[in-house]
Amino acid sequence: IAGITQAPTSQILAAGRRMTLRCTQDMRHNAMYWYRQDLGLGLRLIHYSNTAGTTGKGEVPDGYSVSRANTDDFPLTLASAVPSQTSVYFCASSDSAGSSNEQFFGPGTRLTVL
Amino acid sequence: GQNIDQPTEMTATEGAIVQINCTYQTSGFNGLFWYQQHAGEAPTFLSYNVLDGLEEKGRFSSFLSRSKGYSYLLLKELQMKDSASYLCAVLSNDYKLSFGAGTTVTVRA
Repeated sequence: IAGITQAPTSQILAAGRRMTLRCTQDMRHNAMYWYRQDLGLGLRLIHYSNTAGTTGKGEVPDGYSVSRANTDDFPLTLASAVPSQTSVYFCASSDSAGSSNEQFFGPGTRLTVL
Repeated sequence: GQNIDQPTEMTATEGAIVQINCTYQTSGFNGLFWYQQHAGEAPTFLSYNVLDGLEEKGRFSSFLSRSKGYSYLLLKELQMKDSASYLCAVLSNDYKLSFGAGTTVTVRA
């Protein structure tokens, strides 16, 4: 693994189903983030984690949950998917949550909820 | 709350210069980032400004005026591969990034 990976690449999901998007980084970054990207709205922060064992809510957290059991992994779970959660989801990481630390993005997961 | 505005689209000719403006009104400020995103790909870091002035990095430069809540990204000697979306993002006091909707730049031969 080099950098940050996400799985699956894409998924079509029936409404009401549970889904976990996976994110793994091998850069030993402390901070990790989940964004969704929708046309015309840009990237919006769903949840974040400043360090392993801690998580926080972003701008659009409803319907999503996260966990950060270790440094490398930051899964995002949709407990009961709804069509409005159709989007492209990006995971990102940075060395720390501080000022000049750029965020590195994974390749994204394209999710369609029918 | 955060309010970040940038033009939706811009078109320019190969070899030309394009300036993408970004204005922001945010609750606190800890720096402004520019990212490049090619269609279907992840955003990649271009620049970071926290002090007023111009930061130059090869063909790309980024400018910041904190008093005006204004930044621009300048792309010089445009190449076809520069066709992409450019995202302006502001780091707030709680160190969360808020993104503008992005500016799609199309470079024509």
